[in-house]
Amino acid sequence: GEDVEQSLFLSVREGDSSVINCTYTDSSSTYLYWYKQEPGAGLQLLTYIFSNMDMKQDQRLTVLLNKKDKHLSLRIADTQTGDSAIYFCAEIPQTGANNLFFGTGTRLTVIP
Amino acid sequence: EAGVAQSPRYKIIEKRQSVAFWCNPISGHATLYWYQQILGQGPKLLIQFQNNGVVDDSQLPKDRFSAERLKGVDSTLKIQPAKLEDSAVYLCASRPQGGTYEQYFGPGTRLTVT
Repeated sequence: GEDVEQSLFLSVREGDSSVINCTYTDSSSTYLYWYKQEPGAGLQLLTYIFSNMDMKQDQRLTVLLNKKDKHLSLRIADTQTGDSAIYFCAEIPQTGANNLFFGTGTRLTVIP
Repeated sequence: EAGVAQSPRYKIIEKRQSVAFWCNPISGHATLYWYQQILGQGPKLLIQFQNNGVVDDSQLPKDRFSAERLKGVDSTLKIQPAKLEDSAVYLCASRPQGGTYEQYFGPGTRLTVT
């Protein structure tokens, strides 16, 4: 679980869609999560997806899961300046005590 | 519902000094976690408590870090003596029993060791 990978930076224009990608390590992970971290703040849970789902939609957020490739993505529709933050994906591998392993985070910058 | 509380929010110490952080989880949450987040990285688990017992402390540098949760509610994390590489944000999180295992995070304590 220590090598959850994300690209470091993403810039989009306000109103466009943002897509943040993540490659996780354990194909048996039961839940996968997206967290948001604003400057100086803790992590805020945005959404999660259960491993038997391919897609989950929650208002402006769409999560896509490709278990074969161990690929998770988060799409933010109509991106706003308030969406500027660092986004972390996280998995709970089958081994261990249901602990979260986080990616390195993607810093999203929304350009007005 | 009140969130996870942490204090202090910021701390600056010199290397070889000691420091302690405090966390009060969400009421009723049995599981409590301490994470270390180094600048530019994702959080890494240090220790997990279930009530007042340790579930996982495999990543805790036990020669200098210690943590306790004596009454199964509040928790403290201590570093003694601190090293420069301990500069990081220390995050506390808690989660309720069962469910989808999502964790709720506090605002963190930013530690700078000079």
